[in-house]
Amino acid sequence: DQQVKQNSPSLSVQEGRISILNCDYTNSMFDYFLWYKKYPAEGPTFLISISSIKDKNEDGRFTVFLNKSAKHLSLHIVPSQPGDSAVYFCAARYFGNEKLTFGTGTRLTIIP
Amino acid sequence: NAGVTQTPKFRVLKTGQSMTLLCAQDMNHEYMYWYRQDPGMGLRLIHYSVGEGTTAKGEVPDGYNVSRLKKQNFLLGLESAAPSQTSVYFCASSDGGAKNIQYFGAGTRLSVL
Repeated sequence: DQQVKQNSPSLSVQEGRISILNCDYTNSMFDYFLWYKKYPAEGPTFLISISSIKDKNEDGRFTVFLNKSAKHLSLHIVPSQPGDSAVYFCAARYFGNEKLTFGTGTRLTIIP
Repeated sequence: NAGVTQTPKFRVLKTGQSMTLLCAQDMNHEYMYWYRQDPGMGLRLIHYSVGEGTTAKGEVPDGYNVSRLKKQNFLLGLESAAPSQTSVYFCASSDGGAKNIQYFGAGTRLSVL
């Protein structure tokens, strides 16, 4: 039972344009969501997060949007840069749970 | 600042052999985790620990054992390796705070022939 889903295995975006990565979840108990970025031969690194009490969180070029009614979150990268080419994982947890549930990842390729 | 360090980085085993993967963190984190990453499967939790001397099963614990004798170290053991355990293994740690952000090591690529 995949509780966190990333339905797009890959995405290609022109440099300078907006990249939008999507994530859906099924467990309504999830109240905290994170995005991780992973380069080849490296471990995932934390990128940005959002609590369920918010619907938007910004950090520089990265913005995460949360739509609780649709159980959907998205990561926007504006403008996209070649260094953004990586695999992006979304993850979710609920209060009091020390574990994260990860999606399957989306490979983002930024075309120069 | 090393963060989370995993050893070894690469290993090839024959079916039935045993090995131990070592994870060390220098951030004084209470929580530590072992994941495996397989194509199309994302990161799946094998075992985790919420403090020194504690361990708990994750989503895919079969065929693995763990120990957390010291706060900074979390060991993952394979007693009798199988080809299905060919994977990339990641260790992570977190402080268990409100955000509980996990910090990952660089991974161990394991092949079981």
